[in-house]
Amino acid sequence: KAGVTQTPRYLIKTRGQQVTLSCSPISGHRSVSWYQQTPGQGLQFLFEYFSETQRNKGNFPGRFSGRQFSNSRSEMNVSTLELGDSALYLCASSSQGRGETQYFGPGTRLLVL
Amino acid sequence: DQQVKQNSPSLSVQEGRISILNCDYTNSMFDYFLWYKKYPAEGPTFLISISSIKDKNEDGRFTVFLNKSAKHLSLHIVPSQPGDSAVYFCAASVGGGSQGNLIFGKGTKLSVKP
Repeated sequence: KAGVTQTPRYLIKTRGQQVTLSCSPISGHRSVSWYQQTPGQGLQFLFEYFSETQRNKGNFPGRFSGRQFSNSRSEMNVSTLELGDSALYLCASSSQGRGETQYFGPGTRLLVL
Repeated sequence: DQQVKQNSPSLSVQEGRISILNCDYTNSMFDYFLWYKKYPAEGPTFLISISSIKDKNEDGRFTVFLNKSAKHLSLHIVPSQPGDSAVYFCAASVGGGSQGNLIFGKGTKLSVKP
């Protein structure tokens, strides 16, 4: 079974631009969660989607948004990029998102200049 | 305020010996705990988990112990191998993971020396 895939793997943007990251979950998994990893803050939860609905949201500004498609693939969008948005963005999938283990993709490394 | 704490940023162990990684939590509502291993530039890899109804779970060389009264869990790796060198994250969730999010500690970097 293929694992979680994320595209692109690396991205360089400038301040003020917007970016869209993509995540394809493990086949059959319906829950997708997004996390941001930075050296100072560690791994922090952004939001979780299940059956195209956002079920939970972390403590991030509204510039961070996401969506999920009917095939469970998910996208995350960051608008008006700031230097502090430079991070590794990870997505994780699980079957139902209720008590199951989350499996992570390799991440997208975003650098904002 | 950090709800999941890994107070040792790093740990060095000799090959063949036991590695013990510790994790403390403050939220008594946490009922599902996981350990992940992470190499640079890769996503975390799931290692082992434990439900709050148990106090021990084993999987090969990895054992996780949960002490609910002390709000403490630990990961034991026996015997340690050089390939175990990585950053280890402890994570916890509320409601059996029903909220779809994990709360992570900041990680402990394990170095296993040959």
